Amino acid sequence: LAKTTQPISMDSYEGQEVNITCSHNNIATNDYITWYQQFPSQGPRFIIQGYKTKVTNEVASLFIPADRKSSTLSLPRVSLSDTAVYYCLVGPRSGGYQKVTFGIGTKLQVIP
Amino acid sequence: DTGVSQDPRHKITKRGQNVTFRCDPISEHNRLYWYRQTLGQGPEFLTYFQNEAQLEKSRLLSDRFSAERPKGSFSTLEIQRTEQGDSAMYLCASSPEAGAPNYNEQFFGPGTRLTVL
Repeated sequence: LAKTTQPISMDSYEGQEVNITCSHNNIATNDYITWYQQFPSQGPRFIIQGYKTKVTNEVASLFIPADRKSSTLSLPRVSLSDTAVYYCLVGPRSGGYQKVTFGIGTKLQVIP
Repeated sequence: DTGVSQDPRHKITKRGQNVTFRCDPISEHNRLYWYRQTLGQGPEFLTYFQNEAQLEKSRLLSDRFSAERPKGSFSTLEIQRTEQGDSAMYLCASSPEAGAPNYNEQFFGPGTRLTVL
């Protein structure tokens, strides 16, 4: 499985756009990039998944450059409730199942 | 859809005792996963079921750990002869079959926090 590197922590003020970048230099051709969010004492929650270019849903955007060696999760206009740990995962999808390894994630602190 | 549920939410046990955790996935999901998470770390994959078949096991799953999903619905994770190093949050997740809506998402339960004294 491809190794991922992301910042350990980030701070942002409420209302700002937050971009969290993840490096995955050894990403394989059949790997997908997935981001999860985790609040304290809860299980992770799926945010977004992509393979290339840009993916957008109701909560976030995911930007993946052509070489796919990195990806950026963009959270528009964060609020205090976005304070959480964000995990970048890279792995293949086989039969719809993505085998993934969670790293330590990025702890995002949103400041009022 | 009531989400993934896990029972119990908290378990305190003494070293050497056996413990069993239960996971009830989302009803139409045929795939089920177990993870372990320690403080400050991300979840570590333990095992994966498709229906009742256990298709993948991590090397983290020592012979003291066993997981079952007898009828392809709920699953149990048993730890025998618990050790203090087993103290962690045990997370269960489920996902629908390939091709179904949201099939690429894993839906996690709230976890069972195990403390081994």
